[in-house]
Amino acid sequence: QLLLQESGPGLVKPSESLSLICSVSGVSLNSATYYWGWIRQPPGKGLEWIGTMYYSGSTYYNSSLKSRVSISLDTSKNQFSLRLTSVTAADTAVYYCASQGDSYYLFDYWGQGTLVTVSS
Amino acid sequence: QSALTQPASVSGSPGQSITISCTGTSSDVGNYNLVSWYKHCPGKAPKLLIYDVSKRPSGVFDHFSGSKSGNTASLTISGLQADDEADYYCCSYAGSDALVFGGGTKLTVL
Repeated sequence: QLLLQESGPGLVKPSESLSLICSVSGVSLNSATYYWGWIRQPPGKGLEWIGTMYYSGSTYYNSSLKSRVSISLDTSKNQFSLRLTSVTAADTAVYYCASQGDSYYLFDYWGQGTLVTVSS
Repeated sequence: QSALTQPASVSGSPGQSITISCTGTSSDVGNYNLVSWYKHCPGKAPKLLIYDVSKRPSGVFDHFSGSKSGNTASLTISGLQADDEADYYCCSYAGSDALVFGGGTKLTVL
């Protein structure tokens, strides 16, 4: 059973960068040929795909966020991370990390999510 | 990519069947058999119910089923139970490596 847990600051100032880590247990990021993704949910709104990274290092981003987002893997810590730059209040959301297994087109295991508020 | 369209809310009584629709376009839902559905209880991790329009992951009961017609995908829950009360989201591949979610549907079990 895969377990994922998001961590990071709950409050970020406008124009700064948001950085979150997803710690993974139950599979080694070193050996699993999986996709790993980030999704967010602004308050009162639906889910929004942020981006996905393949174990090989290939990345795929939502075109609306592409200029500000990056996802990376740290196989030594069995973690992957999200960085979103130049944040505004519109980036306030619950951020989820998820496994996409060996299929890009689904999210089979999710973390419980972490709320990030952008405010001065 | 625009969000897929789902009804904001649906309701049903225990034992009944309900269907949640997910309407996209010929660029996403209509063009690919790559629709997935998720159950989300507030404060918990979302759970995958259906993938590739109608396939169920192991451990998901046949209580949940998926289908697609044209640009609209549907999730049907048969024999509604109290613990089916949750938010439900669809997701589709939209081409060019893009994934798009629906706005979510709140299911109330009366």
